[in-house]
Amino acid sequence: DAGITQSPRYKITETGRQVTLMCHQTWSHSYMFWYRQDLGHGLRLIYYSAAADITDKGEVPDGYVVSRSKTENFPLTLESATRSQTSVYFCASSRLAGNTDTQYFGPGTRLTVL
Amino acid sequence: GENVEQHPSTLSVQEGDSAVIKCTYSDSASNYFPWYKQELGKGPQLIIDIRSNVGEKKDQRIAVTLNKTAKHFSLHITETQPEDSAVYFCAASISVQSGGGADGLTFGKGTHLIIQP
Repeated sequence: DAGITQSPRYKITETGRQVTLMCHQTWSHSYMFWYRQDLGHGLRLIYYSAAADITDKGEVPDGYVVSRSKTENFPLTLESATRSQTSVYFCASSRLAGNTDTQYFGPGTRLTVL
Repeated sequence: GENVEQHPSTLSVQEGDSAVIKCTYSDSASNYFPWYKQELGKGPQLIIDIRSNVGEKKDQRIAVTLNKTAKHFSLHITETQPEDSAVYFCAASISVQSGGGADGLTFGKGTHLIIQP
């Protein structure tokens, strides 16, 4: 049972480059989420998706793009990376709406933007 | 929108003692309150949750209490063990059935719990 996986686990990039973080879940959960975790801020929602081809903004969406062509995948793209996007990124999924059901988190991707 | 405050930011207790982490929320419509545990290098994992129709829930050494009037909820860990050392996050949300959005969870900033041997 693979659960929810993220790749890469670590990434170093330069300002202005495009980078895509991958998220894959094997449970066929309807809902998927992207969070960033920064010291002093806890977990902040970037984008979420209620189903394939349905996405919506969270608290901090600026500078990020998501897509969900398949239920199991939810990639997050930084179109032009900035140093302020240096963070740990977590993907999560839930069977039902994320505000009433358990969210299962991936292991995270540590992104450094130089 | 919802705002969740969590205290303390760091808590150090002796092994075997109890630990209490407290959270307050701002939106009286919130009705779902989960707690997540994050170990070093891993993603958060749900350890217990409570809904607004109950005041307390217990699972072995872990319990959560909810005071809707005061808008605060707490995590209690008894007989702490070294493996309890982690960062703990509280969260609050309004269910979709009650008019909340599907994204719903607002997290506190976390408490680093340290169990001293």
